[in-house]
Amino acid sequence: QKEVEQNSGPLSVPEGAIASLNCTYSDRGSQSFFWYRQYSGKSPELIMFIYSNGDKEDGRFTAQLNKASQYVSLLIRDSQPSDSATYLCAVTGGANSKLTFGKGITLSVRP
Amino acid sequence: KAGVTQTPRYLIKTRGQQVTLSCSPISGHRSVSWYQQTPGQGLQFLFEYFSETQRNKGNFPGRFSGRQFSNSRSEMNVSTLELGDSALYLCASSSTEPFVDTQYFGPGTRLTVL
Repeated sequence: QKEVEQNSGPLSVPEGAIASLNCTYSDRGSQSFFWYRQYSGKSPELIMFIYSNGDKEDGRFTAQLNKASQYVSLLIRDSQPSDSATYLCAVTGGANSKLTFGKGITLSVRP
Repeated sequence: KAGVTQTPRYLIKTRGQQVTLSCSPISGHRSVSWYQQTPGQGLQFLFEYFSETQRNKGNFPGRFSGRQFSNSRSEMNVSTLELGDSALYLCASSSTEPFVDTQYFGPGTRLTVL
């Protein structure tokens, strides 16, 4: 059974700080990794995806992937109160395979 | 482009009834996936349809079924509803970015079973 773990929540950071969200996965064959943000009462929205080892930056967001350690993270720089949401990590084995989600981590950014 | 649409947005049913939910994917997307989201279990995969064929299936009982039409619109059906079926049902359609199937979610259907 493929598993995606998101522990160490909920997370609270002050406005302007860096928020670091972590995710581990069990299937070494996993190929693509996604971060979604979900506001309360809303559906998940895609923030970014990554499939190569290393860092990928998009504005204030940076995804980091380490396949050897089976670890993917999301860094949010200059956190804003509007970043307060649940962040979902998702993993897929590749084309035509299903997406497996972690249970999410709730981030609260204090003004 | 218009996003993924789901209808209805809210439903209240009683135990034993059946329900049909509808999903229209983003134009050009041929894959539609369905998920159930509950506070305790998180997002759980139900099934995926591609070109009218079920391509992947999650671990849900046979009361949960789906289909996809030639225009890529999809429906899911839950028969003999149970209290535990109360959840947010999400549909996602996917495109293939270079090397990656990226899923985009609709607003969901909130089902309450009484």
